[in-house]
Amino acid sequence: LAKTTQPISMDSYEGQEVNITCSHNNIATNDYITWYQQFPSQGPRFIIQGYKTKVTNEVASLFIPADRKSSTLSLPRVSLSDTAVYYCLVGDDNYGQNFVFGPGTRLSVLP
Amino acid sequence: GAGVSQSPRYKVAKRGQDVALRCDPISGHVSLFWYQQALGQGPEFLTYFQNEAQLDKSGLPSDRFFAERPEGSVSTLKIQRTQQEDSAVYLCASSLEMTNSPLHFGNGTRLTVT
Repeated sequence: LAKTTQPISMDSYEGQEVNITCSHNNIATNDYITWYQQFPSQGPRFIIQGYKTKVTNEVASLFIPADRKSSTLSLPRVSLSDTAVYYCLVGDDNYGQNFVFGPGTRLSVLP
Repeated sequence: GAGVSQSPRYKVAKRGQDVALRCDPISGHVSLFWYQQALGQGPEFLTYFQNEAQLDKSGLPSDRFFAERPEGSVSTLKIQRTQQEDSAVYLCASSLEMTNSPLHFGNGTRLTVT
């Protein structure tokens, strides 16, 4: 089971680009990398998922280097509403336990 | 369409009482997960269903915790003889299938045991 390491917290200002890096040194061949966002009093919400290289959707980009031992979630031009906890998950499709959340990164966007 | 629905939203129980938490997954979603989230922590895996089959219950903290999904849709998490350490938010998530499908979470049930 691949363990992930993320910064506990980050601060940013409105309009800046924010990059949150997750380390997963023992990622397995079949593992995908998935990021979730969680606001207070809500369940986590899927942001983006990738296997290698770069993935982009309407809210974020995910950069994965060739060795796949880390990944970086990039949020362009953050706003106050992006203040949340961001979780990086690594796992494959075999077992429920593979969907393991760490403590996440608490992002605070300041005006 | 409707998302994952959990009820009740809040539950206060006296120590020793039994509680039942309900999860209505998104229609057609095969996989269903229960997580426990303590204040300031990430969600911790409790159990996983594929349709009506409970394939993994290794995260259930004690035999006081029991989950079922008898018809492969609605699921109930039951906690018997609640203890103060059971106070947490209980999250339910569903997904189309197990193969790397994103999890869709409900907003959870906040359980407070007094």
